Amino acid sequence: QVQLQESGPGLVKPSETLSLICTVSGGSVSSYYWHWIRQSPGKGLEWIGYIHNNGYSNYNPSLKGRVIMSVDTSKNQFSLKVTSVTAADTAVYFCAKEVVTATAPNPFDIWGQGTMVIVSS
Amino acid sequence: IQLTQSPSSLSASVGDRVTITCRASQGISSWLGWYQQKPGKAPRLLIYAASSLQSGVPSRFSGSGSGTDFTLTISSLQPEDFATYYCQQTNSFPLTFGGGTRVEVK
Repeated sequence: QVQLQESGPGLVKPSETLSLICTVSGGSVSSYYWHWIRQSPGKGLEWIGYIHNNGYSNYNPSLKGRVIMSVDTSKNQFSLKVTSVTAADTAVYFCAKEVVTATAPNPFDIWGQGTMVIVSS
Repeated sequence: IQLTQSPSSLSASVGDRVTITCRASQGISSWLGWYQQKPGKAPRLLIYAASSLQSGVPSRFSGSGSGTDFTLTISSLQPEDFATYYCQQTNSFPLTFGGGTRVEVK
């Protein structure tokens, strides 16, 4: 059973880069589509984007080109970077695995527990 | 694609039949999923492809609909079902979620 664990700084200064890692256990990072989702305090869910080791990725235009995702097969991890952060990027960040079917994209069947990131000086 | 859930919250009792709706701003065929989220926890996938029950999810949960109108039904509400429910469309990028429906104790 695939399990996911997010890690990274819980506090980031405005204008700096938010960097998070999701470590995959119980499966290979090369085998699935991986997503990042965030949830601002007391708010709903916002999809950030996805990455696959085959090179495919797609990011939410709402983040205005500030997102970079990558996969590290040697460490069985994938990562998220959000540049030029502001207070509006304060949120719980989740990594998630997409359901495997013959078509894509699909909903997310496995989620990490989430990590809170606060943007503040 | 915008997803509008209704109601935004509801009060119900154990044993009640609960229905939550999700309306898409344009047709999404059957590319809709439903999640349950409890405070401080990650969402849990309940339904995918509008009506397919995710493995391990109790059969009291069911989904229906296609095109623009979808429904999540809980046939007999259990104590562990008090939570917030979200719909999500996977028809096109960017993937989007509904605003959520909070199911509270009556």
